Amino acid sequence: RKEVEQDPGPFNVPEGATVAFNCTYSNSASQSFFWYRQDCRKEPKLLMSVYSSGNEDGRFTAQLNRASQYISLLIRDSKLSDSATYLCVVGYNKLIFGAGTRLAVHP
Amino acid sequence: SAVISQKPSRDICQRGTSLTIQCQVDSQVTMMFWYRQQPGQSLTLIATANQGSEATYESGFVIDKFPISRPNLTFSTLTVSNMSPEDSSIYLCSVESRGDTQYFGPGTRLTVL
Repeated sequence: RKEVEQDPGPFNVPEGATVAFNCTYSNSASQSFFWYRQDCRKEPKLLMSVYSSGNEDGRFTAQLNRASQYISLLIRDSKLSDSATYLCVVGYNKLIFGAGTRLAVHP
Repeated sequence: SAVISQKPSRDICQRGTSLTIQCQVDSQVTMMFWYRQQPGQSLTLIATANQGSEATYESGFVIDKFPISRPNLTFSTLTVSNMSPEDSSIYLCSVESRGDTQYFGPGTRLTVL
């Protein structure tokens, strides 16, 4: 079993759609959780940290369920510029990256 | 967040040669990391580089193949030694900010022929 698992996608959605990504992790002792965004041929960039209380940044909402070892990212009102690969990242002594979920937003 | 640069941005090398990648940060940082991202894959940690001590390597990576230097708090190098086509990858350095948050350099795209 992979330490961090994500649906690889791709998710093809029209502009304005709401899309949700899910991620599960295997190490119950994990202490930090993030979503990174990676554009094609670019480095990963931090999108947001994820907390047990949930957090929101504009159109983006992240949730963490420690009991289920599950992390989610919700993107509302998708824009063309949201097209990228979204990496679920879990930290315990080091960061473990999921393989990423590809999102393609079309007009 | 810190501003991180890497050199070279890309290179094409012959098998059996070595390439040294440089990572420069615009502020002093304690923890620097080196990752590899193979085509179509996610990131894999190679090693953690702390100033003043030897790098700590992850399982599957050894110092002879990936020697690392960390001479000060703003700079590190990763060398890919005796390269083979399997080493073709993107190599990224990162630095740790508050908590476990990491910020990445732009990466070095390496092709080994």
